[in-house]
Parts: sequence; structure tokens; C-alpha cells
Amino acid sequence: DIQMTQSPSSLSASVGDRVSITCRASQSIYTYLNWYQQKPGKAPKLLIYDASTLLSGVPSRFSGSGSGTDFTLTISSLQSEDFATYYCQQSSSTTWTFGQGTKVEIK
Amino acid sequence: QVQLQESGPGLVKPSQTLSLPCSVSGVSISSAAYYWSWIRQHPGKGLEWIGYIYYNGNTYYNPSLKSRVTISLDTSKNQFSLRLRSVTAADTAVYYCARAPVQVAGVDYWGQGTLVTVSS
Repeated sequence: DIQMTQSPSSLSASVGDRVSITCRASQSIYTYLNWYQQKPGKAPKLLIYDASTLLSGVPSRFSGSGSGTDFTLTISSLQSEDFATYYCQQSSSTTWTFGQGTKVEIK
Repeated sequence: QVQLQESGPGLVKPSQTLSLPCSVSGVSISSAAYYWSWIRQHPGKGLEWIGYIYYNGNTYYNPSLKSRVTISLDTSKNQFSLRLRSVTAADTAVYYCARAPVQVAGVDYWGQGTLVTVSS
């Protein structure tokens, strides 16, 4: 199985801050990496696929980068609606796995 | 517009089988463009991928659940279903059905989720 490790597990930030979340795969997943945002009591929402492709309608302050085993989700200027939990997910193999999540909280 | 809706019992007894259908509208589950997936989330925890099925019936399961899981298609009802056998309290979770475009292999549409509690 491919294991996905996110860091940090949680972070505190202020509106306007630049925030980065990393996701590391246990083996190369090329760019088969997706990022999701989940708010309490809601289903997750796909933000980025193929490591760096923004889904239509997702604000441009979100960006993704990386390939191989190391990936980053960056929020360039954190907004109040961005406080949520973020998950990475690999689809390189026929069995998919999620990272454990990163909770972004208000400082 | 695409919609997915889980249904089923909110309470299942230990050792029994959890069965959840997912009704799909706005898109055909017979399309070769999508995988139809199940994902769960234990209370207060992260997301766990359960498995997915392709239009041709090919299935792919989480190795940790593979011995107990079956995902199937019912094209006449445009729905797909999850069966999880021999459940325990550790299977208590919110269960989501979801659509994943083959070209993305990430979930672009989710059901609202249904909480299933395993308890006697």
C-alpha cells in the first residue's frame, strides 16, 4: 500500500497569512495527487487534482505543487472561509489512500 | 445536475451486514468516464477509502477491508451499493458515496454522507 503522510497535523494562522501544507508519499506517485477541503459536518470538496490543477470555481489563492513523493498545498492569503481540514489523496495505484488531514485553525 | 444520495439503516448490530445503496441522478453509472466510490469517516477522524467500481463491474478495494467488502452496480436503478460483512463497533462511521472521474481519479461529487452506528 502507498502511505500518505501530511504535515503538520494542525496549524494556527491569521487571515491574510500564507499557509503551506505538505503531503509525502511512501513511494513515487508521479502527479497522481488530489487535495480536498472539509468543513465540519460537510462532505469534502475537491480543490486540486493532478497535483497542481485547480478545479473550476476554486479560488486562485489555492495552489498545488510537487511530483514524485513530495507535494505542497499553498493558500496564498488565508481567508475566513478557508478554516477547515485539508486532505491529500493519491490515485497512483488502483488502491487509493488519503493523508491523515491537516486542520487549519484561527490564531 | 449530478446528485448522489446514500440511504439505509442508521443502526446495524455487530456481526451483521451493513448494506448501503447510493442513488445517482444527473449522470449514468454506465458511463466509462467515472469510478463509483465509497469512503468512510470515523467520528472525529480522517477519511478512509473503502473501494470503487467501474462501469464494467471491475472493483478495487482497500486491502484492510477487502475480505468483508462488496461494491456492486444496479444499472436498472442507476445506483451502486456497498455491503460490509461481519461489522463491529470499529465500523461505526459516516459513509459517503462518491463519483470520481477517471481522468482525475479524485472525487468531484459526494453524497451528503450517512452515519452508520454498529451497536447491539
